[in-house]
Order: sequence, then C-alpha cells, then structure tokens
Amino acid sequence: DTAVSQTPKYLVTQMGNDKSIKCEQNLGHDTMYWYKQDSKKFLKIMFSYNNKELIINETVPNRFSPKSPDKAHLNLHINSLELGDSAVYFCASSPVSRRDWTGELFFGEGSRLTVL
Amino acid sequence: GQNIDQPTEMTATEGAIVQINCTYQTSGFNGLFWYQQHAGEAPTFLSYNVLDGLEEKGRFSSFLSRSKGYSYLLLKELQMKDSASYLCAVRDRDSGYSTLTFGKGTMLLVSP
Repeated sequence: DTAVSQTPKYLVTQMGNDKSIKCEQNLGHDTMYWYKQDSKKFLKIMFSYNNKELIINETVPNRFSPKSPDKAHLNLHINSLELGDSAVYFCASSPVSRRDWTGELFFGEGSRLTVL
Repeated sequence: GQNIDQPTEMTATEGAIVQINCTYQTSGFNGLFWYQQHAGEAPTFLSYNVLDGLEEKGRFSSFLSRSKGYSYLLLKELQMKDSASYLCAVRDRDSGYSTLTFGKGTMLLVSP
C-alpha cells in the first residue's frame, strides 16, 4: 500500500526526446508537488497543485509541463530533454487544508532520469 | 526569498553524539523541519519545530531559535544506519499555499 507512488523509477533516454513521469497518492491529500534533486543532492520545488489547480510554479523551463487530472494524480511531462535535466524527480503530497497540518510533506520514492 | 545554510559533510563515530546546525533567513516563518534521506531513497520526516525550544523524539532532538534564525538536529547513540543526508527545510508563512524550501543537506558518515 504505497502512499505516494511514482512511475517509472528509472528512465534513460536520449537528448531531444519527450518523456513523462506519473505520480499517484492514496492518502487523500489535497496538494501535490514536484521536486527536483540534482547531482549535488539539492532538493528544489518545481510545481505545486492544490485540488488540480496550479499554485506554485517556480522558475522552470517551459519544456516542463505538469498536469493534474484529479487531486490524487500529478504527472510531469518534459519536452526536448536536455543533459541538464538529468536528476531525481520526487513527487510529494500534503493535506494543506487540514487544520492540524504541520507542513510535513510525504514523498514518493523518486524517478531517476538520465539524459544521454 | 529564503536562504538556508548547513554544513556539507560531517563524520562521527558509532555510539557518539553529533549536532547538525542549520541557519536560515526567510521573509516569513511557519516552521522548521528536518528530514533524513538515505542514498537512493526518498526524504523522510524526522522533526518539526515552530516554537523556540527543544523537541525530543527518541535518539533525535531538534532545537529552534527563531530570533537567531538557527536550528540544530542532535543525534545521540549514533548507529551505522544513521549514515544519511540530513535536510533542513523551512516553511514560509508568506504565501497562502506555502511549501518547504530545503537546504542543501548535510551528509553524515558514521564510522565503526
């Protein structure tokens, strides 16, 4: 019963290709996130969705397009992949509307993207 | 904006005590978090401080001083399995839907 699950776990592809990473959470949370962790292990927010609505969009190239078909799913599509896109992408969720929410994020296991 | 600073690496011996410091500068503050991340795995929540003082949870404790923009994570009775990266993160109050901003992490190596 994985709480936040991502697929695929590993993705190796050529420069210029388009790829997608999927994320699903079964925690009933209303907010989902994509974080990028680079080779130096720096974890940085990319996007956040609350009830399917985009609420945080950091300075990310237009080649990255998130989509949330419902509040349990948040997918990430990347066009024209570049070498610098190689990283681990983490999906996370949280129950923002809950009064007792402390701010904790619940992370998926990550998707390691390697662009050759 | 936010700026979070923590040491890049630390080493310690099994059974010892280690303190990992974190300093932050933020336009708003709504909590400080510590996460543990083993190599190749997802970050997992360790502790949360929103008021000044010490929060203890088993072998791990976390301290916060809001006036100084300072926190530390204290790990006691170190075990080999504590070798991991420890991430300090701050929640910013200013945005309506705030999220966590992470520091670059402290890689802790515990040796026998």
